[in-house]
Amino acid sequence: NAGVTQTPKFRVLKTGQSMTLLCAQDMNHEYMYWYRQDPGMGLRLIHYSVGEGTTAKGEVPDGYNVSRLKKQNFLLGLESAAPSQTSVYFCASSPRGTGDYNEQFFGPGTRLTVL
Amino acid sequence: GQNIDQPTEMTATEGAIVQINCTYQTSGFNGLFWYQQHAGEAPTFLSYNVLDGLEEKGRFSSFLSRSKGYSYLLLKELQMKDSASYLCAVTDSNYQLIWGAGTKLIIKP
Repeated sequence: NAGVTQTPKFRVLKTGQSMTLLCAQDMNHEYMYWYRQDPGMGLRLIHYSVGEGTTAKGEVPDGYNVSRLKKQNFLLGLESAAPSQTSVYFCASSPRGTGDYNEQFFGPGTRLTVL
Repeated sequence: GQNIDQPTEMTATEGAIVQINCTYQTSGFNGLFWYQQHAGEAPTFLSYNVLDGLEEKGRFSSFLSRSKGYSYLLLKELQMKDSASYLCAVTDSNYQLIWGAGTKLIIKP
């Protein structure tokens, strides 16, 4: 039981390049999330999904796109990377969104640097 | 707006007790979580409170007062491995988790 996995673990991009971050969970969770974590700030929600085929915007969605074609996978895309997107990206999943079913399980993170 | 406040950093001694406070102002309340995050790692779940009062889990306890918008995490018998950041998060009326910036806890021998 791997839980939540993310690939890659590290990446360096040049401004304007694109990339996709992959997240997979094997807990059959309905909800999945993408966060970014910057020094001195709380986790900020980029996009989330409440089920296969659905996505929604979070607090800081600009510059990112997502897709959830399969229940176990949640992809985060950067179409044209900018230095402001240098951050640590965490994927998380939860069984549902209510009560203690909102407990979120996190992947190990992706450290992205945009030069 | 929505806001969660925690102290930025705290220092405590191995074997002692420390209390990490969290105050929140959110649009609605549907529960409060505490997570632990070691440097360079992912957050991991510690506790969940939705009713007023104290929840105890071994060396860790979490308290909630909804009327005061206040919670604390109490860590007893501190160990060096407890050195980490502790994140407070509140589920708002839209069932979104709003996260505090975290409290970095430094344990000294």
